[in-house]
Amino acid sequence: EAGVAQSPRYKIIEKRQSVAFWCNPISGHATLYWYQQILGQGPKLLIQFQNNGVVDDSQLPKDRFSAERLKGVDSTLKIQPAKLEDSAVYLCASSLQANEKLFFGSGTQLSVL
Amino acid sequence: AQTVTQSQPEMSVQEAETVTLSCTYDTSESDYYLFWYKQPPSRQMILVIRQEAYKQQNATENRFSVNFQKAAKSFSLKISDSQLGDAAMYFCAYRRGQNFVFGPGTRLSVLP
Repeated sequence: EAGVAQSPRYKIIEKRQSVAFWCNPISGHATLYWYQQILGQGPKLLIQFQNNGVVDDSQLPKDRFSAERLKGVDSTLKIQPAKLEDSAVYLCASSLQANEKLFFGSGTQLSVL
Repeated sequence: AQTVTQSQPEMSVQEAETVTLSCTYDTSESDYYLFWYKQPPSRQMILVIRQEAYKQQNATENRFSVNFQKAAKSFSLKISDSQLGDAAMYFCAYRRGQNFVFGPGTRLSVLP
């Protein structure tokens, strides 16, 4: 089966610019997650979707981060404007149901200069 | 809030030897899941092993096994017959319902 697809793989921007990441989960997976992984740390949940509804976005910096999952399939995560501390790997993951294991994409490495 | 702690930032093991990675967690729940994920330099997180808290028997997947001590809230990963391909970051994770929390990770080096 096809895995979780993410693009781009790398992105370099200057601070105050905007950036968007895209994720296509495994077909049929209802739950989709965006994680932020700063170098040397474990992934931190930014937002979780169940189909096209938001389940948890308590750790999403809503003044600059936004995410959507239209039609309950693909998802985009946007940062506007970016800050230096946003430099990290952004991982997308999906699962069939809430209690199932997560399948991860390869992530997008963002560098903010 | 649930927390996951991995007290070993880095570990190393000789090829073909055995190594144990430690993980402790904090929860007031009795029904949950625990996972070990591997993250090689490619960045893709790969599930190594999973344990249901209601099961007393420790999970095993080929060369990987866990020592699950529910009362102590401890969940260590043992890698037997270590191979060069086992070198990676290893993350312990806790899940209950929608809540999925990762530890800070342990970097494992395998020495030839």
